[in-house]
Amino acid sequence: QLQLQESGPGLVKPSETLSLTCSVSGGSISNTKYYWGWIRQPPGKGLEWIGNIYYSGSPYYNPSLKSRVTISVDTSKNQFSLKLTSVTAADTAVYYCARLFGVTAADNWGQGTLVTVSS
Amino acid sequence: QSVLTQPPSTSGTPGQRVTIFCSGTRSNIGSSTVEWYQQFPGTAPKLLIYSNYQRPSGVPDRFSGSKSGTSASLAISGLQSEDEADYYCAAWDDSLNGWVFGGGTKLTVL
Repeated sequence: QLQLQESGPGLVKPSETLSLTCSVSGGSISNTKYYWGWIRQPPGKGLEWIGNIYYSGSPYYNPSLKSRVTISVDTSKNQFSLKLTSVTAADTAVYYCARLFGVTAADNWGQGTLVTVSS
Repeated sequence: QSVLTQPPSTSGTPGQRVTIFCSGTRSNIGSSTVEWYQQFPGTAPKLLIYSNYQRPSGVPDRFSGSKSGTSASLAISGLQSEDEADYYCAAWDDSLNGWVFGGGTKLTVL
């Protein structure tokens, strides 16, 4: 049974960098059938795609966040990571990691982690 | 303002059939497959429909999806109280070069 688990600080100060890691268990992140992605959801609002990455690299990002986002993968640890720089209160959200087959079919999700941007 | 347009809310009574519509453009729904996600409060979304009408294993056949031109729809037949949730449509947008979602539809079972 594949499981994804987000981890990282729940509170980040404005202008600093948000860093999250998604640990994958019960399956290999190097499986060639899948992409791995980050999606966020501000409190009480809808879903927003942040970016996806394949096990071999080559990430692609939401154009509206591209200048601030880095997604990387560590196959040796079976995990992938998100960095979002220069955060503001607008980045406060529940951040989900997910496994995708095809580009937009996310069939396995982490439970999500709330990140609050506040001083 | 979401790229894909959904009604913010809809409702139905147990046993009824409800349909949730998702409107897009040629650059997203018109040129890509559509997925639907179900989300209960405080939980992660769950993939309900992929490739316009395919159901992942374990999703009841009460849920069905379709697409025509630049619109898609999710139909739920034999509505049950446990279907009360938020539903999101999603698709790839070639112009934006990104994955876009609808704003979500809150389904209330009366």
